[in-house]
Amino acid sequence: AQKVTQAQTEISVVEKEDVTLDCVYETRDTTYYLFWYKQPPSGELVFLIRRNSFDEQNEISGRYSWNFQKSTSSFNFTITASQVVDSAVYFCALTVRGSQGNLIFGKGTKLSVKP
Amino acid sequence: SAVISQKPSRDICQRGTSLTIQCQVDSQVTMMFWYRQQPGQSLTLIATANQGSEATYESGFVIDKFPISRPNLTFSTLTVSNMSPEDSSIYLCSVDREGKNYGYTFGSGTRLTVV
Repeated sequence: AQKVTQAQTEISVVEKEDVTLDCVYETRDTTYYLFWYKQPPSGELVFLIRRNSFDEQNEISGRYSWNFQKSTSSFNFTITASQVVDSAVYFCALTVRGSQGNLIFGKGTKLSVKP
Repeated sequence: SAVISQKPSRDICQRGTSLTIQCQVDSQVTMMFWYRQQPGQSLTLIATANQGSEATYESGFVIDKFPISRPNLTFSTLTVSNMSPEDSSIYLCSVDREGKNYGYTFGSGTRLTVV
């Protein structure tokens, strides 16, 4: 069975601080896909990144960066120089080959960025 | 990413009644997915809708309670039947845009309150 753990329920930072959101996953499948989504207060889910299990390259997109480490089954997300607009719930999710569409979501981390 | 139009965006319904949620995608997709997000919780897959066949339901969800239609490759509906207050949730549809830089795109969600 697959599982995603986001141990941080809530994080509060002051604007311009860097913040890392942790994600640990469990799966016995060798082919799997990891995702991060942002859910602002308005409720929609915004896709941030997709990573497959064969691509361990770290990714940087503007102020966002992701660190994928298969050795520790982690896919952590860092926001550099946080802004108030980053305030949202962030979800890490996992799906495996042959079960596409069944995204297993973590419980989410609520990030509050204060001015 | 694919654009999904989901409606209604929110509704308040009386217990015992039914609500049908619609999702329209701007391109043809093989599978569409329906998720539920209970208050303060993560997302859970309800069912996968394929065009031309019966939807596939996840454990804990049954067709009598959540009938799904998929009349063509761009449209699907989810009905929440015989509603009770426990059905108060956000319901979201989703499609997969395959590829490294794409993820599962979600509709804006239907925020349902059952009174």
